Amino acid sequence: QVQLQESGPGLVKPSGTLSLTCAVSGGSISSSNWWSWVRQPPGKGLEWIGEIYHSGSTNYNPSLKSRVTISVDKSKNQFSLKLSSVTAADTAVYYCARVWSAAWGPFDPWGQGTLVTVSS
Amino acid sequence: QSALTQPASVSGSPGQSITISCTGTSSDVGGYNYVSWYQQHPGKAPKLMIYDVSKRPSGVSNRFSGSKSGNTASLTISGLQAEDEADYYCCSYAGSRVFGGGTKLTVL
Repeated sequence: QVQLQESGPGLVKPSGTLSLTCAVSGGSISSSNWWSWVRQPPGKGLEWIGEIYHSGSTNYNPSLKSRVTISVDKSKNQFSLKLSSVTAADTAVYYCARVWSAAWGPFDPWGQGTLVTVSS
Repeated sequence: QSALTQPASVSGSPGQSITISCTGTSSDVGGYNYVSWYQQHPGKAPKLMIYDVSKRPSGVSNRFSGSKSGNTASLTISGLQAEDEADYYCCSYAGSRVFGGGTKLTVL
């Protein structure tokens, strides 16, 4: 059973770069799945950030595309998120998730999420 | 793209049925059968309840069902139970992906 676990700094300074990693266990990141990042500001709804295939192909939310980089490390069975030039508006719980069933399929399972606060 | 439109809140009594709508456009909900629904309890990660408009993953109660008409998708929960009280989000393919704003379900 695939499980995902996010990790990374919980506090990032404004104008800095947010960096998170999602470790995949119970399955291979090189399987026929895409892998995604979704975020949720405190008290607000979900926002899709982007996703990656093990080949390195990516899809990004157009509204974040200029600041987002998602990469994959097959040797460590993990994928990562970098979000540059962050502001307080980027404060959120960040989730990683597997895209199940097919490209553009649903998100399942999800990691437990990690809160990242942007503050000086 | 704009977020899909969901009612901010719905409520129902135990045993009743409720429906949550998710309205988009012909470029997202109406154009593809890639609509999924997620349940989120406070402080927890979202959980997949419905995918591809009306398919139910293994382990999800058959009290949950999904449908679509035109640009509006719907999630119906029958036989409401206390544990169904949660936030619900729809999500659609739209050339990329777009979520609804979320609906808080209260079981009275």
